[in-house]
Amino acid sequence: DAKTTQPTSMDCAEGRAANLPCNHSTISGNEYVYWYRQIHSQGPQYIIHGLKNNETNEMASLIITEDRKSSTLILPHATLRDTAVYYCIVRVASNTGKLIFGQGTTLQVKP
Amino acid sequence: SAVISQKPSRDICQRGTSLTIQCQVDSQVTMMFWYRQQPGQSLTLIATANQGSEATYESGFVIDKFPISRPNLTFSTLTVSNMSPEDSSIYLCSAKTGSGEKLFFGSGTQLSVL
Repeated sequence: DAKTTQPTSMDCAEGRAANLPCNHSTISGNEYVYWYRQIHSQGPQYIIHGLKNNETNEMASLIITEDRKSSTLILPHATLRDTAVYYCIVRVASNTGKLIFGQGTTLQVKP
Repeated sequence: SAVISQKPSRDICQRGTSLTIQCQVDSQVTMMFWYRQQPGQSLTLIATANQGSEATYESGFVIDKFPISRPNLTFSTLTVSNMSPEDSSIYLCSAKTGSGEKLFFGSGTQLSVL
């Protein structure tokens, strides 16, 4: 699975959009980009995933660059409850399902 | 979706003893996994729990230390054997349903070894 690079930490003002970048320059054509987050003292929670098209769901939007070497997770209106560690993971969609987590980005949403 | 329950939620154990962590899913799942999260660190995959057969361990993890069972499609156990303080971590169970791409996680078991 391709390696990802994320900033260690970011701050965001409550009510503003949080844009979390992820670099995956060695991604291959059949690898998806997945985002999970882990709120303190909880297990990780799935947010969104995509292959090459931009994706949106009730939680977030995922913007993948045309060359697929980077992506951005957007939380449109961040709240204090969005404070968490956000993990960007790249892997082939397969029946194994296992995920290998990197260090992630700690997002602090401030009032 | 899947709701995953882990027991115990936390425990304090003496070195040299063993602890078995239970993971129960509220629906049949295709894949189950065990992760470890050491203090202040990210998650590390320990193994894939295979139903009716031996678990598949990741590099650095062995069956003698972390025996895993999965007797059916909704239940798995992880045992942390002959514990030392270095085993103090959060242990998380996760599961994948059908052909979906989402992985669901339990809230974890916080283990402290004295």
